[in-house]
Amino acid sequence: GQNIDQPTEMTATEGAIVQINCTYQTSGFNGLFWYQQHAGEAPTFLSYNVLDGLEEKGRFSSFLSRSKGYSYLLLKELQMKDSASYLCAVRANPSGGSYIPTFGRGTSLIVHP
Amino acid sequence: KAGVTQTPRYLIKTRGQQVTLSCSPISGHRSVSWYQQTPGQGLQFLFEYFSETQRNKGNFPGRFSGRQFSNSRSEMNVSTLELGDSALYLCASSLAMGDTQYFGPGTRLTVL
Repeated sequence: GQNIDQPTEMTATEGAIVQINCTYQTSGFNGLFWYQQHAGEAPTFLSYNVLDGLEEKGRFSSFLSRSKGYSYLLLKELQMKDSASYLCAVRANPSGGSYIPTFGRGTSLIVHP
Repeated sequence: KAGVTQTPRYLIKTRGQQVTLSCSPISGHRSVSWYQQTPGQGLQFLFEYFSETQRNKGNFPGRFSGRQFSNSRSEMNVSTLELGDSALYLCASSLAMGDTQYFGPGTRLTVL
């Protein structure tokens, strides 16, 4: 099966930088997504990585190393509104069939003044 | 462009009843996936539909079923409800299978 690990909770200070890690074990890997979910709301798409390297999008960047089964989401210039759960999701077809996304449990980020 | 819509937003049922949830994808999106989200298990994949056919299925009992219509709208049904079915049910649409998914607001189901 697939296994996705990310820290349960992280805290950071407004204006700082935080890195949320995600490690995964799967076969048939075909991409990794990051989603943001505020309490009581639906997840919203942040980034997608399928090749090794860094993808930058404004204050948010996401990195992928396929050989290490590792990704991170980097949030810069943290704002209070960044307090949310961050979900790592891996797309894979371990059975050789269609690609299915599997989500991690999410990392709850608390930004304090 | 309107986002993914789900109805109803909140639902209260009792054990043994059945429930049908509805999802309208973003216009032009043909793939619809359903997820169950609970505090204990996180976001778990239920099934995915594309062109009115179920293409993928997660590890849920047969009480959970769904269908997709020709206009890509989808419904999921849960029969013989159990207390453990209380969860947020999320629908996500994408242009095609495997593409980036966009989530609806969810239906909060409470089983008493």
